[in-house]
Amino acid sequence: EAGVVQSPRYKIIEKKQPVAFWCNPISGHNTLYWYLQNLGQGPELLIRYENEEAVDDSQLPKDRFSAERLKGVDSTLKIQPAELGDSAVYLCASSPRQTGEQFFGPGTRLTVL
Amino acid sequence: QKEVEQDPGPLSVPEGAIVSLNCTYSNSAFQYFMWYRQYSRKGPELLMYTYSSGNKEDGRFTAQVDKSSKYISLFIRDSQPSDSATYLCAIQSGGSNYKLTFGKGTLLTVNP
Repeated sequence: EAGVVQSPRYKIIEKKQPVAFWCNPISGHNTLYWYLQNLGQGPELLIRYENEEAVDDSQLPKDRFSAERLKGVDSTLKIQPAELGDSAVYLCASSPRQTGEQFFGPGTRLTVL
Repeated sequence: QKEVEQDPGPLSVPEGAIVSLNCTYSNSAFQYFMWYRQYSRKGPELLMYTYSSGNKEDGRFTAQVDKSSKYISLFIRDSQPSDSATYLCAIQSGGSNYKLTFGKGTLLTVNP
């Protein structure tokens, strides 16, 4: 069974530029999560989807961050414009149900210059 | 006080040593307790999952939960260089609350 796929793995951009990350969850997993992991810290939840519905986006900085999960499968997380402080690893995870084990992708490492 | 506290280390041990990793938490509502392992430049992967006080063993790994003290531990026996990674505790409230709260992670190096 294929795991959670994320792309790109690495991204370097100038500040104020837009950037987008893509996630393909494990087949059949209805719940999808986006996490932010800063260096030396544990992951922190940004947004959770149940199918195509964003059921918790309370931690998402909505002035610059947006996300979508069309058709309840793949998801995209966007930052526009990026700031220096956005440099971090963005992790996508999926689970078969909201309290089940969460399976993580390898993450996208973003560097904002 | 943070909801989950974890000593970030780093921790360096010789091969074959017994490793003890620990977390404390503050919210009595937490019901599910997990340990994730994260290799460098990889996503976290679940090692152990438990929901009751006591010990749970899986091979060289033992997860211990003490709800009365709000203290969880992961023990690694006969540690191997391949165990070198960051270990993250994660706790979940359960019920309709899906949210995982992670510790900072402890960086472990097992030296051959």
